[in-house]
Formats: sequence, C-alpha cells, structure tokens
Amino acid sequence: ETGVTQTPRHLVMGMTNKKSLKCEQHLGHNAMYWYKQSAKKPLELMFVYSLEERVENNSVPSRFSPECPNSSHLFLHLHTLQPEDSALYLCASSQEETGLREQFFGPGTRLTVL
Amino acid sequence: DAKTTQPNSMESNEEEPVHLPCNHSTISGTDYIHWYRQLPSQGPEYVIHGLTSNVNNRMASLAIAEDRKSSTLILHRATLRDAAVYYCILRKYNAGNMLTFGGGTRLMVKP
Repeated sequence: ETGVTQTPRHLVMGMTNKKSLKCEQHLGHNAMYWYKQSAKKPLELMFVYSLEERVENNSVPSRFSPECPNSSHLFLHLHTLQPEDSALYLCASSQEETGLREQFFGPGTRLTVL
Repeated sequence: DAKTTQPNSMESNEEEPVHLPCNHSTISGTDYIHWYRQLPSQGPEYVIHGLTSNVNNRMASLAIAEDRKSSTLILHRATLRDAAVYYCILRKYNAGNMLTFGGGTRLMVKP
C-alpha cells in the first residue's frame, strides 16, 4: 500500500465511449502525475500537475484530458480512444519542496479499448 | 536527461546476492542516480538513490563507480518477492518533475 489509490483497476471500453480514471493520494503531496505503460514499451510520462497546475504535457493526444481539482485528486478523462491506447495507466504523486522528489505510484488501471 | 543502459534480464537464485549493473557514461555532475523497481501487477516503487558515495538502506545497497559512469544495485539476499523489473534513472536535483524510464532489467529469482 503506497498511499496512492486508483479506480477502477480494470476498464474495458469501446472506441465511442467516454470514461474517467480516478487517482487519489493520501500522502499530503502537492504534485501528481499520469504515466502510460504499453506492452513492450517503457513507461511514458503523460501529464504533471504541481500545486494543481499542469506543468507538463508531453504531446499527448487531445482524446486524453486530465483534471486536478485539488492536490489529492487527479482524473484522466477518456473519449473516442483507439485500440492502441490500451495500456496500464499509472498515477503517481510526490512532494515538490524536497529535492529528492521520490514518486509514489498507484497500482494502475488496466485499460482495454475494443 | 542522460541515458542509462541496463541488461534486459538477469537470473538469480533465492537467498544469493544479486548485482544489477547500470551504465551511464554521459552522466553530468548534477545527476543523481535513482533506482526504482516494478513488481508484477504493481506500479513502480522507489528503491534507493545516490550521488557519489555508496548508499545503503533497508531494501538494497547502491555502489557507484569512482568516475560515476556506472553503478550497481545490490540485493544482499534475493527472495522470490524481489522478482521485478529494476529501473536505473538519472535525475537532476531540483530541476524538473520528470522520471524518464528506460527498459530496465527484468530480474528472475529461482527457488
């Protein structure tokens, strides 16, 4: 148990569906992240929120839309996804005032797009 | 961030020490060496980090070469629970939020 929870753990959706992934951290951190882990590829950073403002957006397609309503919660809204978007989506958090910035990861949401 | 190179996979016997190598020949003076690992069906977890001196914690030891162009993560007694993908990552102190993951080393532990 890392203090970062993600729901749902598994999600199957069609290409025309709209769904949302949720992440919650119970560590009092002030930065949160979304990563994507596809089969046979390294983890890729998608979005970073620091103090609830988006500070990184690594050229992610607009069909992925993040939302950070407060420092404890992070959402990833999904719409009109493609089968190649099937992957493990990982959320992480860290405390930005410390130079180490150790990141704590949730267990991930396994997404399958049909 | 400077690039790291790790073997794709390694095997170990249970209760024996494991030495996981990482090459980072283009490391700069401000780069810290971090190790994370990802157990099956879980997100990555922090293992250890260091700058120049060798480091020990409850999970592992980190041995850093004198020229800092390579490092070795040492698990003193491998258990089946240590089977995971181990990532060696370089990060600059107080310079950005990114963790850039490579392919890592898949460690298999045999009973």
